[in-house]
Amino acid sequence: EDQVTQSPEALRLQEGESSSLNCSYTVSGLRGLFWYRQDPGKGPEFLFTLYSAGEEKEKERLKATLTKKESFLHITAPKPEDSATYLCAVQEYSGGGADGLTFGKGTHLIIQP
Amino acid sequence: DAGVIQSPRHEVTEMGQEVTLRCKPISGHNSLFWYRQTMMRGLELLIYFNNNVPIDDSGMPEDRFSAKMPNASFSTLKIQPSEPRDSAVYFCASRSTGYTFGSGTRLTVV
Repeated sequence: EDQVTQSPEALRLQEGESSSLNCSYTVSGLRGLFWYRQDPGKGPEFLFTLYSAGEEKEKERLKATLTKKESFLHITAPKPEDSATYLCAVQEYSGGGADGLTFGKGTHLIIQP
Repeated sequence: DAGVIQSPRHEVTEMGQEVTLRCKPISGHNSLFWYRQTMMRGLELLIYFNNNVPIDDSGMPEDRFSAKMPNASFSTLKIQPSEPRDSAVYFCASRSTGYTFGSGTRLTVV
């Protein structure tokens, strides 16, 4: 069973058409939830970290929110340059000291002019 | 700050050959992670180090894979012998408070 599930897998929007990407997670103890942006041929680029339910963070046209079971990445009035794959990842508390991130498969977002 | 530096950017090798991927983390970051990305499985954690010590290698797929971190500024991921199913993009990331990824090495095994 996947710990991190992102939906939709792909999304095509018109410029200016707002929408939300979903990330649902199942971990026993959430230490942090991360959003990354990945452009073709590049490594993931950090966007946000959320630590507790109810927390929200914003950056330009992006806003990330967190509940106990899922996170949303809201995109308001997107522009073509927002086209990318958006990745969600979780870090969980572990007695073994596990520190790595567990990633979802991502949402491939295309913004058409 | 040059970020996390990986080399080579692209590697094409024949099945059975040894492949070594390299990573230079950000100075001062005390944790280093190796990930593999494929279309089917997404980003998967292979191994990570804290203060140059391997902590968790449970993601390393087989004994053909090995990783070392001889000092705080250098790490290698080695595959010997390589197989076509190892073809993927391999990312290195380092962390102090946040995780920073390199640009990756695209490995093709033919």
